[in-house]
Amino acid sequence: AQSVTQLGSHVSVSEGALVLLRCNYSSSVPPYLFWYVQYPNQGLQLLLKYTSAATLVKGINGFEAEFKKSETSFHLTKPSAHMSDAAEYFCAVSGSGNTGKLIFGQGTTLQVKP
Amino acid sequence: DAGVIQSPRHEVTEMGQEVTLRCKPISGHNSLFWYRQTMMRGLELLIYFNNNVPIDDSGMPEDRFSAKMPNASFSTLKIQPSEPRDSAVYFCASSPEYSNQPQHFGDGTRLSIL
Repeated sequence: AQSVTQLGSHVSVSEGALVLLRCNYSSSVPPYLFWYVQYPNQGLQLLLKYTSAATLVKGINGFEAEFKKSETSFHLTKPSAHMSDAAEYFCAVSGSGNTGKLIFGQGTTLQVKP
Repeated sequence: DAGVIQSPRHEVTEMGQEVTLRCKPISGHNSLFWYRQTMMRGLELLIYFNNNVPIDDSGMPEDRFSAKMPNASFSTLKIQPSEPRDSAVYFCASSPEYSNQPQHFGDGTRLSIL
């Protein structure tokens, strides 16, 4: 069965510092992986996705994530945090079957301090 | 292109009343998902449809909750009777029925049961 674990429910960084949000997955089949961002009072927006084309995936707003099969990880990074990056971030893995179902992690709230 | 459209955006009603949430998925998407988000429980998948057929409703909390998808362009989530603990943000999402495709989320309905 597929599952996702996001390490750290809250992460705090200073503006300009590196952002690292951790995600580990479990999947019985080659996974498709996604990162979503949720700003206050909004729905989830797709940041980036891994669909086996390249292990380093670039997304919107300067974010990227690297798929590491040996570590079953898909951590999200951004070299320099902006105040506008403060939001909740969700990692997700595709469910079994071909219905588009995703298994979401519990989310990580990113706080950016001035 | 129009995204996933949910209505109403906000709903405030009294305990015991019937509540109906509506969703219009993106045209051409075969799968539709209903989620509930609360501070305590995070993001929960309630039910999902594939080609208008309910595939998995194991996340529906009680018999008071029901969902329908009468056609490819419309779905409803109904709560009858409503209770204060149903207060949450309810999201609808749609996707093509392929596991390498992301889900697209609506802006959600913020439901408050007094």
